[in-house]
Amino acid sequence: DTEVTQTPKHLVMGMTNKKSLKCEQHMGHRAMYWYKQKAKKPPELMFVYSYEKLSINESVPSRFSPECPNSSLLNLHLHALQPEDSALYLCASSQAWTSGSYEQYFGPGTRLTVT
Amino acid sequence: AQSVTQPDIHITVSEGASLELRCNYSYGATPYLFWYVQSPGQGLQLLLKYFSGDTLVQGIKGFEAEFKRSQSSFNLRKPSVHWSDAAEYFCAVGASNSGNTPLVFGKGTRLSVIA
Repeated sequence: DTEVTQTPKHLVMGMTNKKSLKCEQHMGHRAMYWYKQKAKKPPELMFVYSYEKLSINESVPSRFSPECPNSSLLNLHLHALQPEDSALYLCASSQAWTSGSYEQYFGPGTRLTVT
Repeated sequence: AQSVTQPDIHITVSEGASLELRCNYSYGATPYLFWYVQSPGQGLQLLLKYFSGDTLVQGIKGFEAEFKRSQSSFNLRKPSVHWSDAAEYFCAVGASNSGNTPLVFGKGTRLSVIA
């Protein structure tokens, strides 16, 4: 099974709201990723977790807060977002986080709209 | 650092015709190469990957790609396109000799299929 699940599928939130995106995989992967994707653009890496520890933060604003409670789960906590944060948020996982050699499996994404 | 170029932003082919999507990479050693497909509003699905060995790799959905070191290319091909192949296609390159280096995605090629 190469499935990564994400909830919710769609999310509309105001600029003062707090919400969370969730991602789950049961492939035994030890690396998990958050990407942001704007329309007609490639995914942009936000965060990488390796063995449940944050390995990369690509200068993401603090209004995005990732969390990895265990090896199967990845959350992205959202607070005080801006309209320009509206995008498709993709979660991915891979066997490990070494040298880009391990293929990443992506979830279906959460379509976020900030009003 | 590695980089990848997809020269074609948009390609239109007739159903049943053959397809070739171009991908050129820049990397000092043998790269890890991937092709992903994304249908509108969906996540990315891995079509195929190249790590080493046979330079012609077979993927899912009848796609194949050929690694040509002399041309720094990894072009995606399909002998007969189906209407369901209409989607965005991303080529990605990973570093084979640098630890903890993110995948680099090309800007994507949008494929339209006409009857």
